[in-house]
Amino acid sequence: NAGVTQTPKFRILKIGQSMTLQCTQDMNHNYMYWYRQDPGMGLKLIYYSVGAGITDKGEVPNGYNVSRSTTEDFPLRLELAAPSQTSVYFCASSNRGVTEKLFFGSGTQLSVL
Amino acid sequence: KNEVEQSPQNLTAQEGEFITINCSYSVGISALHWLQQHPGGGIVSLFMLSSGKKKHGRLIATINIQEKHSSLHITASHPRDSAVYICAVRRNYGGSQGNLIFGKGTKLSVKP
Repeated sequence: NAGVTQTPKFRILKIGQSMTLQCTQDMNHNYMYWYRQDPGMGLKLIYYSVGAGITDKGEVPNGYNVSRSTTEDFPLRLELAAPSQTSVYFCASSNRGVTEKLFFGSGTQLSVL
Repeated sequence: KNEVEQSPQNLTAQEGEFITINCSYSVGISALHWLQQHPGGGIVSLFMLSSGKKKHGRLIATINIQEKHSSLHITASHPRDSAVYICAVRRNYGGSQGNLIFGKGTKLSVKP
């Protein structure tokens, strides 16, 4: 199994540009998440989804959008990039219940200049 | 005050030493996760606990729900254990089903 596949690994954007971070999982997980990790800080939840067609905001959703048209895919869209969005982004998926386990993508290092 | 506090922030050990990393939290939880972030940045799930103790190889994780505290122990530490260890808790109340609260991590360096 590939697990969670996240692309790209690195990206540099200019202020005001837009981009989409792609995330795909092959474990048939209902739950998918986007986090950002800033230096010296814990992971912060941007958006999450509990199934195809259902998404909701996390702690830091401003400047981002998501969609979940299939169980497998959960892309994150950055519109009008700002320097404050410079961060490392992680996509993750999980099952729930007594065997709950998180699976993370390899991360995207994004710089907005 | 952060809802999830880890200690120590940084830890340097000699190969073979027994290591303990602590996680304290201030909210009611339904689950606690221990994660490992490799020097290259990748994050791997180690344990999910809702009570008691779990063991996998040289890693042992314990949780005390009444004291709102969990520990991650590494026996016979090895340089390949060098990583950042992250504690995360899931609240047992509130409408946000997806919201894990993460600690800032403990950076472990094991010297040969």
